[in-house]
Amino acid sequence: DTEVTQTPKHLVMGMTNKKSLKCEQHMGHRAMYWYKQKAKKPPELMFVYSYEKLSINESVPSRFSPECPNSSLLNLHLHALQPEDSALYLCASSQDRGLPGDQETQYFGPGTRLLVL
Amino acid sequence: AQSVAQPEDQVNVAEGNPLTVKCTYSVSGNPYLFWYVQYPNRGLQFLLKYITGDNLVKGSYGFEAEFNKSQTSFHLKKPSALVSDSALYFCAVRDSYGGDRDDKIIFGKGTRLHILP
Repeated sequence: DTEVTQTPKHLVMGMTNKKSLKCEQHMGHRAMYWYKQKAKKPPELMFVYSYEKLSINESVPSRFSPECPNSSLLNLHLHALQPEDSALYLCASSQDRGLPGDQETQYFGPGTRLLVL
Repeated sequence: AQSVAQPEDQVNVAEGNPLTVKCTYSVSGNPYLFWYVQYPNRGLQFLLKYITGDNLVKGSYGFEAEFNKSQTSFHLKKPSALVSDSALYFCAVRDSYGGDRDDKIIFGKGTRLHILP
């Protein structure tokens, strides 16, 4: 199973709402990632979890709150978002520091397309 | 800082012709280089990587890439293009903090490949 699943596929929320994005993988990967992608732009890294611990936070605003309940699941909790946060949110996973290049060989989910009104 | 450059926003190729998508890199140390593809409304898919060894790397879907150290390039190639190859292609490089910190990927801005029937 080389699949990363993400739910929901689409999400529309108001600026006062609280919602969560979910990501799941069953490849035994120990590193999981959240990226934000604007249209026609490359993905921008937001967070990295390694062995269920937050490893990298790329100075993401606190209205985005990641959570890694176990090695297969990754959540992104959203609260008080702004319209400029509308984007495709991608989850990815990888081996964690196995062979050279393993960590950068990432498997991506299809993404959640978020619209903030 | 590590970086990759994709000089072409868009490449148009007739079906059946060879294709090349260009990428140049700037890194300190040995480069770890990657190509990812993104089909419309999908997440990214890993195509291939260069870590060390042979300069010609073969990947998924008949793609290959040539590492050229003197020209600091890592161009993606395919001998005969298919309409289904039409997608957004990202070149990427490892950004390593070293020590215990996790590595991350730095993506190029992407090149849109159009294969014309």
